[in-house]
Amino acid sequence: DQQVKQNSPSLSVQEGRISILNCDYTNSMFDYFLWYKKYPAEGPTFLISISSIKDKNEDGRFTVFLNKSAKHLSLHIVPSQPGDSAVYFCAASANYGGSQGNLIFGKGTKLSVKP
Amino acid sequence: GAGVSQSPRYKVAKRGQDVALRCDPISGHVSLFWYQQALGQGPEFLTYFQNEAQLDKSGLPSDRFFAERPEGSVSTLKIQRTQQEDSAVYLCASSSQSGTGSYEQYFGPGTRLTVT
Repeated sequence: DQQVKQNSPSLSVQEGRISILNCDYTNSMFDYFLWYKKYPAEGPTFLISISSIKDKNEDGRFTVFLNKSAKHLSLHIVPSQPGDSAVYFCAASANYGGSQGNLIFGKGTKLSVKP
Repeated sequence: GAGVSQSPRYKVAKRGQDVALRCDPISGHVSLFWYQQALGQGPEFLTYFQNEAQLDKSGLPSDRFFAERPEGSVSTLKIQRTQQEDSAVYLCASSSQSGTGSYEQYFGPGTRLTVT
């Protein structure tokens, strides 16, 4: 049973518009959430993260929103650029008393930003 | 500074051969993770080291998989008697575990293993 779900395998957006990527999770013990971007033949690149004590974190064009009651998070990219075209993975971890937990990943959403 | 590096980038093995995959984490990073990524899937956890101690190996799929990090830096993932289902990209990640509540893991480029 998947603990982290990305229900949209792909998303296509026009350059300059907003991209919204969604992620749902089932494990209430998760306390840290991350988004990674992956280009072909490369490893995942860390993009942005959020702790469960927050509901929003912003870094430049990227904002992550966390709704704990709904067990849902989303990544907003504004404005979208063609270079943002990649596969985006949502990941979650449960970290106890400072001891780091492994990441549980979704299956990814392939974002295509068209010029 | 240098990121996480992995070698080889590509490995083709005949079924039954043993393989060894190497990971050089970011210098000073305490935590090191191995993940396996099948085609069209997200990475799946294999094992975790804190310094030289292997604290979690619950994700290793069988006793043919073995990992070590003897001096708390470089790590090797070994797969004995490879099978076709072992074909995947093997990703290594490291983390500083800064204690400030940040748990970002930084990934290497991966080793693509193909078992024929």
